Amino acid sequence: KQEVTQIPAALSVPEGENLVLNCSFTDSAIYNLQWFRQDPGKGLTSLLLIQSSQREQTSGRLNASLDKSSGRSTLYIAASQPGDSATYLCAVGEGAILTGGGNKLTFGTGTQLKVEL
Amino acid sequence: DAGITQSPRHKVTETGTPVTLRCHQTENHRYMYWYRQDPGHGLRLIHYSYGVKDTDKGEVSDGYSVSRSKTEDFLLTLESATSSQTSVYFCAITQGREQYFGPGTRLTVT
Repeated sequence: KQEVTQIPAALSVPEGENLVLNCSFTDSAIYNLQWFRQDPGKGLTSLLLIQSSQREQTSGRLNASLDKSSGRSTLYIAASQPGDSATYLCAVGEGAILTGGGNKLTFGTGTQLKVEL
Repeated sequence: DAGITQSPRHKVTETGTPVTLRCHQTENHRYMYWYRQDPGHGLRLIHYSYGVKDTDKGEVSDGYSVSRSKTEDFLLTLESATSSQTSVYFCAITQGREQYFGPGTRLTVT
């Protein structure tokens, strides 16, 4: 059974700092990995998707890397801002459901980030 | 937001009553999912669907059933609600290879 761990559970940084969030998983036979952000009382917003054949993906100030052999992914946030304060969730996808791209996600419990002025 | 709505958004019900949550999407997505989110457990998959009338169980399916009679609607039913089913329920779809989530339904079973 796939297990996903995110450390630390909470993180507080001053504005402008670059930071790294960590995600580890136990079974390296993954289909893909997706990073989400969740604001309090809200749904999940997809940030980045990395396919199993990829090593990294970038979107604006965000960069996600994937090392399947070691069972790790990192989310790098550059020049953090107070608006980045949220919980960040890592989710690992199993093999595809049929051939249409659907897959079952296993989530970590998240890292709660606070960026202070 | 991938055109996903959930209803109701909040519900309080009593132990032993049946409850149905609805997920509606407007963009003809094939795959739909139901997750629950609980403190300390993260999100866990309850059931998923890969087409009309095609559904399967996820990690925590006991006590839940689903139906998908139309592409746009995926219903989650708690046949007899228990206090352990108090949770926030999220519906999701797959677009491309990414999953996108609805706004959630907060269910309290008293």
